[in-house]
Amino acid sequence: AQTVTQSQPEMSVQEAETVTLSCTYDTSESNYYLFWYKQPPSRQMILVIRQEAYKQQNATENRFSVNFQKAAKSFSLKISDSQLGDTAMYFCAFMKPEETSGSRLTFGEGTQLTVNP
Amino acid sequence: GAVVSQHPSRVICKSGTSVKIECRSLDFQATTMFWYRQFPKQSLMLMATSNEGSKATYEQGVEKDKFLINHASLTLSTLTVTSAHPEDSSFYICSARSSIRTNYGYTFGSGTRLTVV
Repeated sequence: AQTVTQSQPEMSVQEAETVTLSCTYDTSESNYYLFWYKQPPSRQMILVIRQEAYKQQNATENRFSVNFQKAAKSFSLKISDSQLGDTAMYFCAFMKPEETSGSRLTFGEGTQLTVNP
Repeated sequence: GAVVSQHPSRVICKSGTSVKIECRSLDFQATTMFWYRQFPKQSLMLMATSNEGSKATYEQGVEKDKFLINHASLTLSTLTVTSAHPEDSSFYICSARSSIRTNYGYTFGSGTRLTVV
Protein backbone atom coordinates (compact mmCIF):
# COMPACT_ATOMS: atom_id res chain seq x y z
CA ALA A 1 0.00 0.00 0.00
CA GLN A 2 1.10 3.52 -0.69
CA THR A 3 1.74 5.99 2.12
CA VAL A 4 2.11 9.75 2.04
CA THR A 5 3.84 11.67 4.82
CA GLN A 6 3.75 15.37 5.53
CA SER A 7 6.06 16.04 8.44
CA GLN A 8 5.10 19.67 9.02
CA PRO A 9 1.72 19.94 10.79
CA GLU A 10 1.87 23.74 10.80
CA MET A 11 3.84 26.42 9.01
CA SER A 12 3.68 30.17 8.81
CA VAL A 13 5.10 32.70 6.38
CA GLN A 14 5.05 36.44 5.96
CA GLU A 15 3.09 37.88 3.11
CA ALA A 16 5.17 38.14 -0.11
CA GLU A 17 7.73 35.65 1.18
CA THR A 18 8.40 32.14 -0.12
CA VAL A 19 7.53 28.94 1.71
CA THR A 20 8.14 25.26 0.97
CA LEU A 21 5.91 22.44 2.17
CA SER A 22 7.38 18.95 2.38
CA CYS A 23 5.91 15.65 1.28
CA THR A 24 7.39 12.19 1.00
CA TYR A 25 5.73 9.04 -0.20
CA ASP A 26 6.39 5.36 -0.34
CA THR A 27 5.52 3.18 -3.32
CA SER A 28 6.90 0.40 -5.44
CA GLU A 29 5.06 1.66 -8.50
CA SER A 30 6.77 3.40 -11.41
CA ASN A 31 3.68 4.98 -12.97
CA TYR A 32 1.74 7.30 -10.69
CA TYR A 33 0.54 10.84 -10.15
CA LEU A 34 1.15 13.27 -7.32
CA PHE A 35 -1.04 16.17 -6.31
CA TRP A 36 -1.15 19.10 -3.97
CA TYR A 37 -4.61 20.13 -2.81
CA LYS A 38 -5.56 23.22 -0.83
CA GLN A 39 -8.41 23.27 1.69
CA PRO A 40 -9.20 26.83 2.85
CA PRO A 41 -11.51 27.56 5.80
CA SER A 42 -14.49 26.98 3.50
CA ARG A 43 -13.28 23.35 3.39
CA GLN A 44 -13.65 23.16 -0.39
CA MET A 45 -10.84 21.02 -1.78
CA ILE A 46 -8.99 22.85 -4.55
CA LEU A 47 -6.36 21.34 -6.83
CA VAL A 48 -3.16 23.36 -6.67
CA ILE A 49 -0.81 21.39 -8.88
CA ARG A 50 -0.31 17.94 -10.39
CA GLN A 51 2.81 15.99 -11.39
CA GLU A 52 3.03 12.89 -13.54
CA ALA A 53 5.78 10.57 -12.33
CA TYR A 54 7.04 9.87 -15.86
CA LYS A 55 7.76 13.55 -16.40
CA GLN A 56 11.16 14.73 -15.21
CA GLN A 57 10.27 18.39 -15.51
CA ASN A 58 8.83 19.89 -12.35
CA ALA A 59 5.27 21.18 -12.65
CA THR A 60 4.57 24.87 -12.18
CA GLU A 61 1.33 26.84 -11.89
CA ASN A 62 1.91 30.57 -11.55
CA ARG A 63 3.24 31.10 -7.98
CA PHE A 64 3.18 27.40 -7.20
CA SER A 65 5.90 24.96 -8.18
CA VAL A 66 7.04 21.54 -7.09
CA ASN A 67 10.38 19.89 -6.54
CA PHE A 68 9.81 16.30 -7.61
CA GLN A 69 12.62 13.94 -6.69
CA LYS A 70 11.49 10.51 -7.88
CA ALA A 71 14.43 8.54 -6.55
CA ALA A 72 14.08 10.13 -3.14
CA LYS A 73 10.27 9.86 -3.31
CA SER A 74 9.93 13.49 -2.39
CA PHE A 75 7.40 15.99 -3.68
CA SER A 76 7.67 19.42 -2.08
CA LEU A 77 5.51 22.44 -2.88
CA LYS A 78 6.98 25.93 -3.15
CA ILE A 79 4.71 28.93 -2.86
CA SER A 80 6.28 32.16 -4.02
CA ASP A 81 5.06 35.67 -3.19
CA SER A 82 2.72 34.27 -0.53
CA GLN A 83 -0.68 35.92 -0.29
CA LEU A 84 -3.18 36.05 2.56
CA GLY A 85 -5.52 33.93 0.47
CA ASP A 86 -2.98 31.12 0.51
CA THR A 87 -3.83 30.49 4.16
CA ALA A 88 -5.24 26.96 4.14
CA MET A 89 -4.59 23.33 4.91
CA TYR A 90 -2.45 21.77 2.19
CA PHE A 91 -2.65 18.08 1.40
CA CYS A 92 -0.19 16.06 -0.63
CA ALA A 93 -1.80 13.13 -2.45
CA PHE A 94 -0.68 10.06 -4.40
CA MET A 95 -2.59 8.21 -7.10
CA LYS A 96 -1.79 5.02 -8.93
CA PRO A 97 -3.91 4.58 -12.06
CA GLU A 98 -6.07 1.49 -11.66
CA GLU A 99 -8.57 0.29 -14.18
CA THR A 100 -10.81 -1.53 -11.76
CA SER A 101 -10.85 0.49 -8.56
CA GLY A 102 -11.24 3.96 -9.93
CA SER A 103 -7.77 5.25 -9.10
CA ARG A 104 -8.15 6.33 -5.51
CA LEU A 105 -6.22 9.18 -3.92
CA THR A 106 -4.06 8.59 -0.85
CA PHE A 107 -3.69 11.76 1.20
CA GLY A 108 -1.01 12.91 3.60
CA GLU A 109 -1.84 14.25 7.04
CA GLY A 110 -1.87 17.85 5.88
CA THR A 111 0.08 21.03 6.64
CA GLN A 112 -1.75 24.07 7.98
CA LEU A 113 -0.19 27.12 6.35
CA THR A 114 -0.81 30.57 7.75
CA VAL A 115 0.23 33.64 5.79
CA ASN A 116 0.75 36.61 8.10
CA PRO A 117 0.30 40.22 6.98
CA GLY B 1 -14.86 23.57 -15.42
CA ALA B 2 -16.16 20.44 -13.74
CA VAL B 3 -18.50 21.02 -10.82
CA VAL B 4 -19.84 18.67 -8.18
CA SER B 5 -22.80 19.91 -6.19
CA GLN B 6 -23.10 18.43 -2.69
CA HIS B 7 -26.18 18.86 -0.51
CA PRO B 8 -26.97 19.59 2.19
CA SER B 9 -24.01 21.66 3.37
CA ARG B 10 -25.07 21.31 6.98
CA VAL B 11 -27.51 18.96 8.68
CA ILE B 12 -28.46 18.35 12.26
CA CYS B 13 -30.36 15.18 13.05
CA LYS B 14 -31.54 13.30 16.07
CA SER B 15 -29.81 10.15 17.20
CA GLY B 16 -31.38 7.09 15.59
CA THR B 17 -32.56 8.81 12.43
CA SER B 18 -31.14 8.53 8.92
CA VAL B 19 -29.58 11.25 6.83
CA LYS B 20 -29.03 11.32 3.07
CA ILE B 21 -26.26 13.30 1.42
CA GLU B 22 -26.35 13.88 -2.34
CA CYS B 23 -23.58 14.59 -4.79
CA ARG B 24 -24.35 15.57 -8.36
CA SER B 25 -21.89 16.10 -11.18
CA LEU B 26 -23.28 19.07 -13.07
CA ASP B 27 -21.35 19.10 -16.32
CA PHE B 28 -19.71 15.71 -16.67
CA GLN B 29 -20.46 12.05 -16.17
CA ALA B 30 -19.04 10.75 -12.92
CA THR B 31 -18.17 7.12 -13.57
CA THR B 32 -16.46 6.89 -10.19
CA MET B 33 -17.44 8.58 -6.95
CA PHE B 34 -15.41 8.61 -3.75
CA TRP B 35 -16.82 9.33 -0.29
CA TYR B 36 -14.57 10.70 2.44
CA ARG B 37 -14.93 11.51 6.09
CA GLN B 38 -12.86 14.25 7.70
CA PHE B 39 -12.47 15.03 11.38
CA PRO B 40 -11.36 18.52 12.49
CA LYS B 41 -7.79 19.33 11.55
CA GLN B 42 -7.26 15.86 10.11
CA SER B 43 -6.85 14.41 6.66
CA LEU B 44 -9.53 12.94 4.44
CA MET B 45 -10.29 9.32 5.17
CA LEU B 46 -11.66 7.33 2.25
CA MET B 47 -14.83 5.52 3.21
CA ALA B 48 -15.86 3.93 -0.06
CA THR B 49 -15.52 3.97 -3.82
CA SER B 50 -18.51 3.54 -6.08
CA ASN B 51 -18.75 2.96 -9.80
CA GLU B 52 -21.96 3.75 -11.62
CA GLY B 53 -24.32 0.82 -11.66
CA SER B 54 -22.35 -1.41 -9.32
CA LYS B 55 -22.03 -1.93 -5.60
CA ALA B 56 -19.71 0.30 -3.66
CA THR B 57 -16.36 -0.94 -2.39
CA TYR B 58 -15.92 -0.06 1.26
CA GLU B 59 -12.64 0.53 3.04
CA GLN B 60 -11.69 -1.69 5.92
CA GLY B 61 -13.48 -0.71 9.10
CA VAL B 62 -16.33 1.13 7.38
CA GLU B 63 -19.73 -0.43 8.06
CA LYS B 64 -21.49 -0.87 4.75
CA ASP B 65 -24.86 -1.37 6.41
CA LYS B 66 -24.50 1.92 8.23
CA PHE B 67 -23.15 4.00 5.38
CA LEU B 68 -25.29 3.14 2.36
CA ILE B 69 -23.95 4.35 -0.96
CA ASN B 70 -25.99 4.45 -4.14
CA HIS B 71 -24.55 5.42 -7.50
CA ALA B 72 -27.48 4.67 -9.75
CA SER B 73 -26.72 7.21 -12.45
CA LEU B 74 -23.69 8.86 -14.00
CA THR B 75 -24.55 12.18 -12.39
CA LEU B 76 -25.80 11.26 -8.93
CA SER B 77 -24.40 9.44 -5.94
CA THR B 78 -25.87 9.39 -2.46
CA LEU B 79 -24.53 8.51 0.97
CA THR B 80 -27.10 7.60 3.60
CA VAL B 81 -26.04 7.47 7.22
CA THR B 82 -28.48 5.08 8.83
CA SER B 83 -29.40 5.08 12.52
CA ALA B 84 -27.03 7.97 13.11
CA HIS B 85 -25.28 8.35 16.45
CA PRO B 86 -23.26 11.25 17.88
CA GLU B 87 -20.01 9.53 16.91
CA ASP B 88 -21.09 9.79 13.27
CA SER B 89 -20.88 13.56 13.54
CA SER B 90 -18.24 14.61 11.05
CA PHE B 91 -17.55 16.37 7.77
CA TYR B 92 -18.36 14.24 4.73
CA ILE B 93 -16.93 15.01 1.28
CA CYS B 94 -17.59 13.43 -2.09
CA SER B 95 -15.26 13.45 -5.05
CA ALA B 96 -16.08 12.50 -8.62
CA ARG B 97 -13.95 11.35 -11.50
CA SER B 98 -14.81 10.78 -15.14
CA SER B 99 -13.18 8.02 -17.12
CA ILE B 100 -13.33 10.25 -20.16
CA ARG B 101 -11.12 12.91 -18.66
CA THR B 102 -7.59 11.73 -19.26
CA ASN B 103 -5.85 14.06 -16.85
CA TYR B 104 -7.06 12.10 -13.82
CA GLY B 105 -8.86 15.12 -12.53
CA TYR B 106 -10.86 14.79 -9.36
CA THR B 107 -13.66 17.20 -8.57
CA PHE B 108 -14.71 17.59 -4.97
CA GLY B 109 -18.04 18.56 -3.53
CA SER B 110 -18.18 21.35 -0.98
CA GLY B 111 -18.79 18.95 1.89
CA THR B 112 -21.55 18.24 4.40
CA ARG B 113 -21.21 18.92 8.10
CA LEU B 114 -23.28 16.34 9.94
CA THR B 115 -24.15 16.86 13.59
CA VAL B 116 -26.03 14.12 15.41
CA VAL B 117 -27.66 15.20 18.66
